[in-house]
Amino acid sequence: GAVVSQHPSWVICKSGTSVKIECRSLDFQATTMFWYRQFPKQSLMLMATSNEGSKATYEQGVEKDKFLINHASLTLSTLTVTSAHPEDSSFYICSATGTSGDLYNEQFFGPGTRLTVL
Amino acid sequence: GQNIDQPTEMTATEGAIVQINCTYQTSGFNGLFWYQQHAGEAPTFLSYNVLDGLEEKGRFSSFLSRSKGYSYLLLKELQMKDSASYLCAVRDSNYQLIWGAGTKLIIKP
Repeated sequence: GAVVSQHPSWVICKSGTSVKIECRSLDFQATTMFWYRQFPKQSLMLMATSNEGSKATYEQGVEKDKFLINHASLTLSTLTVTSAHPEDSSFYICSATGTSGDLYNEQFFGPGTRLTVL
Repeated sequence: GQNIDQPTEMTATEGAIVQINCTYQTSGFNGLFWYQQHAGEAPTFLSYNVLDGLEEKGRFSSFLSRSKGYSYLLLKELQMKDSASYLCAVRDSNYQLIWGAGTKLIIKP
């Protein structure tokens, strides 16, 4: 159990366009979802934390107007990269935690979305 | 500030044992995690320690000393597929995960 999916797994877009990435918890209710970005050969960088039904909490240096996060249900969160530029090219990973026990103690990661902005 | 330190890279031989250390300084402590990440893939959970001591799970074991702010991940009977990055992460008082930069483990035949 505790499977998290992401869609799409990879996307190539033109500079200036917007890209939406979906993160779904398939078999549990995710009260909290996290969005990470990872550049090549670097560690995970937390971008924001979102709780279902409330506004996301962004980490310092992450532009909330550029990276729009919506967590409208207990199984779905979306990240929209608005007006994407080549420097936004990265590996975007979401993770989710549940409400209790092992589902709360562990962050379950999606497979990631590789974004390339031309 | 909050800080997680682990070696950047380690090399070991197939069949051998390797220990990857992690030291941390965080605002509060609510558990330490080890994740494995293969290149181009998302991290996968390996272990979780919240009390002092050793947690064993097959070929992998993880140790924690809260008083020393120290953990290690022990990998036994190394296999080529164990070549990956190993990420140490600590959950702080706000229940945020603070991530180390990861240790790239290279396994040689």
